Amino acid sequence: KNEVEQSPQNLTAQEGEFITINCSYSVGISALHWLQQHPGGGIVSLFMLSSGKKKHGRLIATINIQEKHSSLHITASHPRDSAVYICADAMNYGGSQGNLIFGKGTKLSVKP
Amino acid sequence: DAGITQSPRYKITETGRQVTLMCHQTWSHSYMFWYRQDLGHGLRLIYYSAAADITDKGEVPDGYVVSRSKTENFPLTLESATRSQTSVYFCASTSGHMNTEAFFGQGTRLTVV
Repeated sequence: KNEVEQSPQNLTAQEGEFITINCSYSVGISALHWLQQHPGGGIVSLFMLSSGKKKHGRLIATINIQEKHSSLHITASHPRDSAVYICADAMNYGGSQGNLIFGKGTKLSVKP
Repeated sequence: DAGITQSPRYKITETGRQVTLMCHQTWSHSYMFWYRQDLGHGLRLIYYSAAADITDKGEVPDGYVVSRSKTENFPLTLESATRSQTSVYFCASTSGHMNTEAFFGQGTRLTVV
């Protein structure tokens, strides 16, 4: 059974701080997704990666396939980054990307 | 409008009633999914569909029925709603190709009283 573990569960930071959220998975993946959910809001895809590193603005996602570990970094954090960040492992169905297995999320609060 | 839309956004229903949540996507994505999100459990898969007329159970399918007669629609029906089905429901879609994004609807907040 594939399990996706995130840490920490909750994270409080001061504006401007560098933030790291970690994700570990137990089975080999087809793709690892990082998602963002604002309070009461929908779920938005931030990154999808299967190797290396991706950057979008102040957000950076890395993955280490050998260690089955991914990290999401936020540089120069801002109160608007406050949200729940969820990593999800995409299952591989015979070469097609199928169902996502989700971590329980990391609730980030950035104080001004 | 392009995208994935769910309706209704909010629904209150009584125990025992049948409720259908709608999901519509405009990309002709092959895969569609229904998840429920509950405190302490995160997102859990209810049902998924790999193509029109192909559906399969996920982690928590009991009490739910799905159909997919058209690629773009994937309705979720609660046959006889129970209080334990009070949750936020998310529909998602993906093309199924490797290394492509998944897209989520805005969610439906369902309360069963």
